[in-house]
Amino acid sequence: DVKVTQSSRYLVKRTGEKVFLECVQDMDHENMFWYRQDPGLGLRLIYFSYDVKMKEKGDIPEGYSVSREKKERFSLILESASTNQTSMYLCASRGLRPTEQYFGPGTRLTVT
Amino acid sequence: DAKTTQPPSMDCAEGRAANLPCNHSTISGNEYVYWYRQIHSQGPQYIIHGLKNNETNEMASLIITEDRKSSTLILPHATLRDTAVYYCIVRVLTLGSRLTFGEGTQLTVNP
Repeated sequence: DVKVTQSSRYLVKRTGEKVFLECVQDMDHENMFWYRQDPGLGLRLIYFSYDVKMKEKGDIPEGYSVSREKKERFSLILESASTNQTSMYLCASRGLRPTEQYFGPGTRLTVT
Repeated sequence: DAKTTQPPSMDCAEGRAANLPCNHSTISGNEYVYWYRQIHSQGPQYIIHGLKNNETNEMASLIITEDRKSSTLILPHATLRDTAVYYCIVRVLTLGSRLTFGEGTQLTVNP
């Protein structure tokens, strides 16, 4: 039973390209999150959203923007991709109750 | 959110219980203890959470000490598929609160 889906598992983009990473959840969750994961650095929060059209910066928002036009969809945008944005990107969602946070399968982005 | 400390790695024999410790000595009264795991190249997977009582589900048991300064995740009969990085996280449950992942414990289950 798939709960959080991400548009691509693997993606290769060139430096300077605009990149869209899409995340969709089917649990009617209010909270959605974008993380990146790099070896030795763990999971770092980029942006999160606790409602439609609401967004908050996480720990490393520089170089990224997000969009949440519908409750089920949270998009991460790299306006001008750079090689240091090569990483595994993970989307997650969570409801309001003290319940678990569901993660998507991840998108491994390579910027060349 | 309170900081957690976990051993970087542990080994366990297949079929035996795996006991993964976590210290969270600065935990506050309204912070929950969560455990996630991440199998290589996959997104993290929720395992269990608790506030102060011990919890059990189909995946694991969570034992929280009475002073709540530490906890142990128990996988009662570890299998090779339980090899993963296990993360212990503490956080309050407010609108917009987020999980902060540390380095976790790499559990290797050996045949």
